[in-house]
Amino acid sequence: GEDVEQSLFLSVREGDSSVINCTYTDSSSTYLYWYKQEPGAGLQLLTYIFSNMDMKQDQRLTVLLNKKDKHLSLRIADTQTGDSAIYFCAERPAGTASKLTFGTGTRLQVTL
Amino acid sequence: DAGVTQSPTHLIKTRGQQVTLRCSPKSGHDTVSWYQQALGQGPQFIFQYYEEEERQRGNFPDRFSGHQFPNYSSELNVNALLLGDSALYLCASSPLGAGELFFGEGSRLTVL
Repeated sequence: GEDVEQSLFLSVREGDSSVINCTYTDSSSTYLYWYKQEPGAGLQLLTYIFSNMDMKQDQRLTVLLNKKDKHLSLRIADTQTGDSAIYFCAERPAGTASKLTFGTGTRLQVTL
Repeated sequence: DAGVTQSPTHLIKTRGQQVTLRCSPKSGHDTVSWYQQALGQGPQFIFQYYEEEERQRGNFPDRFSGHQFPNYSSELNVNALLLGDSALYLCASSPLGAGELFFGEGSRLTVL
């Protein structure tokens, strides 16, 4: 079955880089996603990567995908206090249009 | 361009009642899906609608039903509410087959 795991908490200093990690089990995953959720809010799509790619960069965000190890990471460069939030990793199995399996989220705390 | 919009934002019901939540997809999106996010958890897929039909369903009982209208908007209905149905209900939209999936701000349901 599908399962996505993330560490629960990460604390970084403002200006440093943050790396949030995620592992998944479904080898048929077509897309993998990173979402950000601030308190009381919905999910904000940060970025997503197709499974035949191993890297995607978008401004301060870099996504790395190791399909062999089923490992996904999100690097945030020059982390700011506004980046403090919960970050969810999600995978989309083959044959589905919008059925994502989410991890339990990583809370990122940015300190001054 | 308005994103995914949901209503109401908050509501309180009592056990046994019924609730209807509404969603308007992002412009140009024809596929709508619904997720339930319990406190401290990642979202769980309920079902997906395309061309006014339920196409995929997650592990939710028949008390959860939905509808999609010709203008692609959607409703989620939950009957015979239980305390455990208290959660944030998120609507997501996408063009069919595309990688991107955008979420609304959610409807927070409290069942007393």
